[in-house]
Amino acid sequence: DARVTQTPRHKVTEMGQEVTMRCQPILGHNTVFWYRQTMMQGLELLAYFRNRAPLDDSGMPKDRFSAEMPDATLATLKIQPSEPRDSAVYFCASGRGQENSPLHFGNGTRLTVT
Amino acid sequence: AQSVTQPDIHITVSEGASLELRCNYSYGATPYLFWYVQSPGQGLQLLLKYFSGDTLVQGIKGFEAEFKRSQSSFNLRKPSVHWSDAAEYFCALFTGGFKTIFGAGTRLFVKA
Repeated sequence: DARVTQTPRHKVTEMGQEVTMRCQPILGHNTVFWYRQTMMQGLELLAYFRNRAPLDDSGMPKDRFSAEMPDATLATLKIQPSEPRDSAVYFCASGRGQENSPLHFGNGTRLTVT
Repeated sequence: AQSVTQPDIHITVSEGASLELRCNYSYGATPYLFWYVQSPGQGLQLLLKYFSGDTLVQGIKGFEAEFKRSQSSFNLRKPSVHWSDAAEYFCALFTGGFKTIFGAGTRLFVKA
């Protein structure tokens, strides 16, 4: 079974440090999404890509968050500097970019910023 | 406006009882709808999807959902709940621009 792989699974860091989360989408999927999940806000779409090009990153705080796809097998989400309010679970999902194609989610990165 | 509403934040049912989780959507065109389930510590997993044809769709783990255009609803059902069904359930809508939006989720508790 093909899977979306996210690393690390857990990250604890101090406020002000840089955090990088990585995602390997399923081979052949041309859309990649970053979601953030918190108890208060639920699932928030941060950014997404199609064919490695960013389509929408309006959900991200631009001053500290950045998302990239250096190649088709890697998507990254960076936070610099991190803040306690960034503590959340960050999910990567990939899909075929078609209406009837579901998203496939990774198991997430649980980020704790102290 | 495009939106997905799950009115119930949490639901508790007894094992063996039937289940219905509600989902309402707002979308100006033909909706493409999904139900996902999330177990603790894991990502979301697809249960079923609707994009055309029969309004009753079958999914994995014995779940089904009924699409009702007149009510803008896509409710998830299961005839007999098992303790392993305890999880969080998300209704989702594929919108233009390749984007999928999710409801706030409904957490299901199953009591013995």
